[in-house]
Amino acid sequence: DTAVSQTPKYLVTQMGNDKSIKCEQNLGHDTMYWYKQDSKKFLKIMFSYNNKELIINETVPNRFSPKSPDKAHLNLHINSLELGDSAVYFCASSSRLVSSYEQYFGPGTRLTVT
Amino acid sequence: KQEVTQIPAALSVPEGENLVLNCSFTDSAIYNLQWFRQDPGKGLTSLLLIQSSQREQTSGRLNASLDKSSGRSTLYIAASQPGDSATYLCAVPPNAGGTSYGKLTFGQGTILTVHP
Repeated sequence: DTAVSQTPKYLVTQMGNDKSIKCEQNLGHDTMYWYKQDSKKFLKIMFSYNNKELIINETVPNRFSPKSPDKAHLNLHINSLELGDSAVYFCASSSRLVSSYEQYFGPGTRLTVT
Repeated sequence: KQEVTQIPAALSVPEGENLVLNCSFTDSAIYNLQWFRQDPGKGLTSLLLIQSSQREQTSGRLNASLDKSSGRSTLYIAASQPGDSATYLCAVPPNAGGTSYGKLTFGQGTILTVHP
């Protein structure tokens, strides 16, 4: 049983295209996150949603738009993709009550923009 | 602004050795500290979480300590095995209330290789 799942695992696309990544968690958590891991393996938080409400919004280009239809799902839509968007995008989830804010990560989506 | 540093950047040891990975952070106002493991091409696996009021946590051959006042944590791995080879990351969220508890700042990781 996968706790945090992401689709797709790999995404190769051309500059200028629009793409979406989806995330789902079955842990009963109420908070979900998107992180970006760059080519140097540095991980940085992008967004966080708590019960469908955006609570963390780091300095990210507005071409990136997260959306949480319910607390078990968090999607990331990227418009007008650029070469610099190539990275691995991780989804994570946590809960104060269930996991004391311990974060559980998905397997990642490797995005390559050509 | 919180900065997290991990030393060493890479470590190679023979199987069976006990080893220590270090993590330091500049702002001691943290809510907790979490250690993760990342295998090549995979996601992060949570290993241990230490609350800011705790001094250490243990799970099997892993022991993590926290000295919040000095801004340091260590991850001790006993009797290392080739299967322990991975990148180990530490991360801290600020203790600034509410939604800040999920805002992890990561170190750059220590790449561990345990050879048979």
